[in-house]
Amino acid sequence: SAVISQKPSRDICQRGTSLTIQCQVDSQVTMMFWYRQQPGQSLTLIATANQGSEATYESGFVIDKFPISRPNLTFSTLTVSNMSPEDSSIYLCSVRGQTGNTEAFFGQGTRLTVV
Amino acid sequence: GEDVEQSLFLSVREGDSSVINCTYTDSSSTYLYWYKQEPGAGLQLLTYIFSNMDMKQDQRLTVLLNKKDKHLSLRIADTQTGDSAIYFCAERSPGTYKYIFGTGTRLKVLA
Repeated sequence: SAVISQKPSRDICQRGTSLTIQCQVDSQVTMMFWYRQQPGQSLTLIATANQGSEATYESGFVIDKFPISRPNLTFSTLTVSNMSPEDSSIYLCSVRGQTGNTEAFFGQGTRLTVV
Repeated sequence: GEDVEQSLFLSVREGDSSVINCTYTDSSSTYLYWYKQEPGAGLQLLTYIFSNMDMKQDQRLTVLLNKKDKHLSLRIADTQTGDSAIYFCAERSPGTYKYIFGTGTRLKVLA
C-alpha cells in the first residue's frame, strides 16, 4: 500500500489568485495522478504527473490552468491558476499500486473554495 | 466513451443489508472496484473483482458481477452507522492506468 499526504487539506481563496497543492507519497511510484471532484459529482482525472517530463493532460484540462510539477518519484504539486468560483472542488492526488490488482491509492484531498 | 452510473442515494436501517448498484459500459474492463469516501477523507478501496469472476465475498461485503448486463453490485450485511459514506464503483480497462469512476452513491444508515 501507499500512504499519501496532501497539503493543504482545505483553503478558501480569492478569485484571480492561484493555489498550489502538494502531494507526498511514502514510497517511490512511477505514476501520480490528479483528480478533481466537483460538488456532488464523481472524480474526473485532470492529468498524469510524469517524473522528468511534462504532465499528460486529459481532455478539457490545460497546462496553463493546472500546471503540475513532478521533481522526483515521491512528490508532485498541482497549481490551480487564476481561480474562479467554478474551480471550487476537492482535488485528490492518487498513485497506482505497483503490484497485484494495481488499485489506486488516494490522498485525503484538498477542499478548495473560491470566493 | 466509457460511462459508469450509480443511483445517488440509499437509506437503510442499522442491521439491515445495503445493496449498492452500478452499471458500466466498457465490456473490456478487467478490474472493477468499490471505494468508500467518508466526509473529509480521500477514497479508500473496499474490495475489487476480476472480470472473470461472478462473485466475491469479503467479511460483510459481497460483490456480484453480471458481465452480460454490465452490472456490478455491492452488498453490505448488517449495515452499521459507520458505513454511512459515499460509495464509488470504478472500472479499469486492460493496458491502461485510467480509472473511470461512477457518480457515487450516498449511503445513510439510520439508527
